[in-house]
Amino acid sequence: KAGVTQTPRYLIKTRGQQVTLSCSPISGHRSVSWYQQTPGQGLQFLFEYFSETQRNKGNFPGRFSGRQFSNSRSEMNVSTLELGDSALYLCASSISGGAPETQYFGPGTRLLVL
Amino acid sequence: QKEVEQNSGPLSVPEGAIASLNCTYSDRGSQSFFWYRQYSGKSPELIMSIYSNGDKEDGRFTAQLNKASQYVSLLIRDSQPSDSATYLCAVSTYNQGGKLIFGQGTELSVKP
Repeated sequence: KAGVTQTPRYLIKTRGQQVTLSCSPISGHRSVSWYQQTPGQGLQFLFEYFSETQRNKGNFPGRFSGRQFSNSRSEMNVSTLELGDSALYLCASSISGGAPETQYFGPGTRLLVL
Repeated sequence: QKEVEQNSGPLSVPEGAIASLNCTYSDRGSQSFFWYRQYSGKSPELIMSIYSNGDKEDGRFTAQLNKASQYVSLLIRDSQPSDSATYLCAVSTYNQGGKLIFGQGTELSVKP
């Protein structure tokens, strides 16, 4: 089975711009979670989507948003980029997002905001 | 208090030794516990999951869970240089399964 894929792998943006990141889960997985990883804050949960609905949300400003399509693919968007948004953005998929389920991570998108 | 806390590290052990990684969590409603390994520049990969009190062994890895003490650990026996990575402890609760709360990670270095 193919793993979780994320595109693009690298991005360079400037402050004020917006960016859209894409995540394709493992085939058959319907839950997609997004995380931000920075050296200072570590891995932090952004949000989770299941059946095209946001089911959980972390403590991030409204500039961070996402959506999920009927094929379970997910996108996240960051508007009005700030320097502090520079990070590795990871998505993870699981079958249904149940607590015992393993989340499998994609390779990540590394975003640099200048 | 952070929700999930790990030894700050870095932890350095000689090749062949046992590496012990520790994690505590604050939410008593936590139900599922995971250890991920992350090599530099790569994404996290699952090493072990554990859901009930006691030990769970998988090859050279043993996870230990004590819910009363809100403590979970990972032991790596016969440590190899290829085990050198950052180990992340992650926790989820029953009603928020899609949300993993991660510790800051412990960097492990295995010296030949």
